[in-house]
Amino acid sequence: GNSVTQMEGPVTLSEEAFLTINCTYTATGYPSLFWYVQYPGEGLQLLLKATKADDKGSNKGFEATYRKETTSFHLEKGSVQVSDSAVYFCALSEDGGTASKLTFGTGTRLQVTL
Amino acid sequence: DTAVSQTPKYLVTQMGNDKSIKCEQNLGHDTMYWYKQDSKKFLKIMFSYNNKELIINETVPNRFSPKSPDKAHLNLHINSLELGDSAVYFCASSHGQGNSPLHFGNGTRLTVT
Repeated sequence: GNSVTQMEGPVTLSEEAFLTINCTYTATGYPSLFWYVQYPGEGLQLLLKATKADDKGSNKGFEATYRKETTSFHLEKGSVQVSDSAVYFCALSEDGGTASKLTFGTGTRLQVTL
Repeated sequence: DTAVSQTPKYLVTQMGNDKSIKCEQNLGHDTMYWYKQDSKKFLKIMFSYNNKELIINETVPNRFSPKSPDKAHLNLHINSLELGDSAVYFCASSHGQGNSPLHFGNGTRLTVT
C-alpha cells in the first residue's frame, strides 16, 4: 500500500533560519504530492502541491520538488518566521476517481523562535 | 465566507452515548470526507461521499454512520461512544477528481469520558 514518511519533530529554528522537512513516499502508480499546514486549533490548509515528476510546488516562500528517482518531496524555506510555527503534513493522493484519497505522513511540528 | 464549517467545535460526552457532528461546505464541491486525527496528530480517512454516494469506506466500526442529505452536507453519527473514539474529527471537501486538494474544516474535538 501507499505510505508517507516524514522526519520526526519537533524542529526548532531561530527566525530567518533555513528550513528543510524531509518527506519520502511509497506508492504504486503516479500519485500527486501535497504539503498541508495546520496552525494551532485549526484545520489543515493546503500549502503547495505537485502533480507529476520534476514539478515544483511553491507558496508563501515554501518550495518542494517532486523527485520520482528518490521518491521524495522535501519542503524547504529560505528564511522562516515566527508565524510559520505549525505542524506540517506531507501527503500523497491516489487517483480515486471522484475522490482524493490522501495518505498523510505523521506530521512535523515546527517551532520558530526569535 | 466560503468555507467548510463543522459543528460543534468541542464535544464532551460519556461512554455509551450517541452523538452527531455536522458538516457543511459552500465551495460547490462534489466530494466530502471525514478524517480522524488521533492524539499523535496522525490523520486517517474514514469516509468519502461524492454527490451523496458513499465511495470510500475505510475500516471503521459500524457504530460510525455518515449521512449525506445533499452534496453540500456530510454528517457523522456515532453510536455507543467508547473512550477510544476520543480524537479530533475533520470534515473536508474537494472537487471530484483524484488529485484535487482538500479543503478542511476546523475540526471537532470529541472527548469521551
